[in-house]
Amino acid sequence: AQSVTQLGSHVSVSEGALVLLRCNYSSSVPPYLFWYVQYPNQGLQLLLKYTSAATLVKGINGFEAEFKKSETSFHLTKPSAHMSDAAEYFCAVSGLNSGNTPLVFGKGTRLSVIA
Amino acid sequence: DAGVIQSPRHEVTEMGQEVTLRCKPISGHNSLFWYRQTMMRGLELLIYFNNNVPIDDSGMPEDRFSAKMPNASFSTLKIQPSEPRDSAVYFCASSQAGSGTQYFGPGTRLLVL
Repeated sequence: AQSVTQLGSHVSVSEGALVLLRCNYSSSVPPYLFWYVQYPNQGLQLLLKYTSAATLVKGINGFEAEFKKSETSFHLTKPSAHMSDAAEYFCAVSGLNSGNTPLVFGKGTRLSVIA
Repeated sequence: DAGVIQSPRHEVTEMGQEVTLRCKPISGHNSLFWYRQTMMRGLELLIYFNNNVPIDDSGMPEDRFSAKMPNASFSTLKIQPSEPRDSAVYFCASSQAGSGTQYFGPGTRLLVL
């Protein structure tokens, strides 16, 4: 069984400040891990994914995440927040062959960016 | 590529009516997923298909829900009869074997009165 826990349903940062969104996972098989972003009234867009290659994964819009097996974590970071980063962020996990198996999502974290 | 296409984008119906949601996956993708998003339960899988064959429908709430994938380029999710608790955003996603990435459609926002 797989599960994802996102710590903090709402995170607020100032423009230009560090963004840190936390994600911990549980998986009985080597996980594939994903971060998706959802803007209001839109679908989910892939930010980045970890598929057992490099543990530090770089994604779009300046985001990156680090896979830490010992901590079962996959936290999302961005050095400097921009107003356009305000959105809902979802961490998700799947097992092997993730292209053919469902994703299990966390509850999501809403990011607010204050000018 | 046009991406995953869903229709309608918005649907308002009355309790007891039949609702049909449609999805066109990205050409060449062989897996299709239906997810539902609500405030209370977040994003949850309803059903998914590999090569047009339903693999796991354990997430379908009850017999009122049914899904089909008659060919590689089309899928439907039907609710009959609809109830107010079915109000949610329904997402379709598709992926290609080995790619590790699911691409999501814009969703259908359903409101059952």
